[in-house]
Amino acid sequence: NAGVTQTPKFRVLKTGQSMTLLCAQDMNHEYMYWYRQDPGMGLRLIHYSVGEGTTAKGEVPDGYNVSRLKKQNFLLGLESAAPSQTSVYFCASSSTRTTYEQYFGPGTRLTVT
Amino acid sequence: RKEVEQDPGPFNVPEGATVAFNCTYSNSASQSFFWYRQDCRKEPKLLMSVYSSGNEDGRFTAQLNRASQYISLLIRDSKLSDSATYLCVVNKETGANNLFFGTGTRLTVIP
Repeated sequence: NAGVTQTPKFRVLKTGQSMTLLCAQDMNHEYMYWYRQDPGMGLRLIHYSVGEGTTAKGEVPDGYNVSRLKKQNFLLGLESAAPSQTSVYFCASSSTRTTYEQYFGPGTRLTVT
Repeated sequence: RKEVEQDPGPFNVPEGATVAFNCTYSNSASQSFFWYRQDCRKEPKLLMSVYSSGNEDGRFTAQLNRASQYISLLIRDSKLSDSATYLCVVNKETGANNLFFGTGTRLTVIP
């Protein structure tokens, strides 16, 4: 039982490049989330999904897109990376009953130069 | 104003000490409250829920004061393994988009 996994773990991008972060969970959770964590800012929700085929904007969605084609996967895309997107990105999942108990992946450290 | 505010610390305490963290929240309609723990360069994990009547889990005690809108976490007999950042989390409403995370309080337990 791997829980929540994320790939890649580290990535360096140049400004304007694109990339996709992959999140996978094996707990059969309906809800999945993408957060970014920056020093002094706490975790901020980028996008989330309440089920396969559905996504919604969180607190800081600009510059990101997401897709949830399969229940177990949640993809985060950066179409044109900017230095302001340098951050640690965490994916999480939860059941519908206990949304407060979110299970996080190990994070992706992204640097945009 | 931030939804959740915490003293970032760091709190440096000797092994065996008792340490307490507070956290304040801005929305009086907030429904439930939690503490998450995040080790250095790791992901956050749920530590415990915070109930209105207060609750204890081993050496950890969580308290809620709705009138003053603050939450506390008390750690007794600190261990080296307690060194981590403790995130105060507020659940504003039901549904998926409902958790607000504080910036965290960093604790270092010194031998």
